[in-house]
Amino acid sequence: EVQLVESGGGLVQPGRSLKLSCAASGFTFSNYYMAWVRQAPKKGLEWVATISTSGSRTYYPDSVKGRFTISRDNAKSSLYLQMNSLKSEDTATYYCARFKWEPYFDYWGQGVMVTVSS
Amino acid sequence: VQMTQSPSYLAASPGESVSISCKASKSISNNLAWYQEKPGKANKLLIHSGSTLQSGTPSRFSGSGSGTDFTLTIRSLESEDFAVYYCQQYNEYPLTFGSGTKLEIK
Repeated sequence: EVQLVESGGGLVQPGRSLKLSCAASGFTFSNYYMAWVRQAPKKGLEWVATISTSGSRTYYPDSVKGRFTISRDNAKSSLYLQMNSLKSEDTATYYCARFKWEPYFDYWGQGVMVTVSS
Repeated sequence: VQMTQSPSYLAASPGESVSISCKASKSISNNLAWYQEKPGKANKLLIHSGSTLQSGTPSRFSGSGSGTDFTLTIRSLESEDFAVYYCQQYNEYPLTFGSGTKLEIK
């Protein structure tokens, strides 16, 4: 059974950093692109980052480019999101998700909440 | 690519059929997916490539459209279908989602 389990969320002050993790199981992690998608309270979904199977290529929207870094450890079947210079508008539930070839997501995690507030 | 989804809210009764629209600000070919969101559950991929049902998606769900106009149709609604639905374009980065449609029981 495919499982994606996020962790590392919490309350953080504006300007500080936080690192999210996603533990994957039930599939060959290294064969899949991975991504982070977030959802602010009462809002829709927003794509945050994508990483290639080897980790050599990454993609970000302008809203997080330069502040967030996606990475992966295929040996540990784990995905990460390093979030720096956090802003109140980064408050959201963060989901990790996978895709094989085209970037639509066939499995999602249940999400982890990040609150940026003083 | 901006994705405009409508309606934002829809009330229907079990057994009825409903349609949700998703319009792209420019052509995305058929690179469109539909997802279902339910409280306490992971988001579920229903349809990709505009009209291809993901394995496990009931046949009462169907997707249509290409270019800029897409539709998700659910026939003979069942109680488990009441949820929030999102469209997503993956024709180009940045990947973008529609604003969601909340389907509630009338």
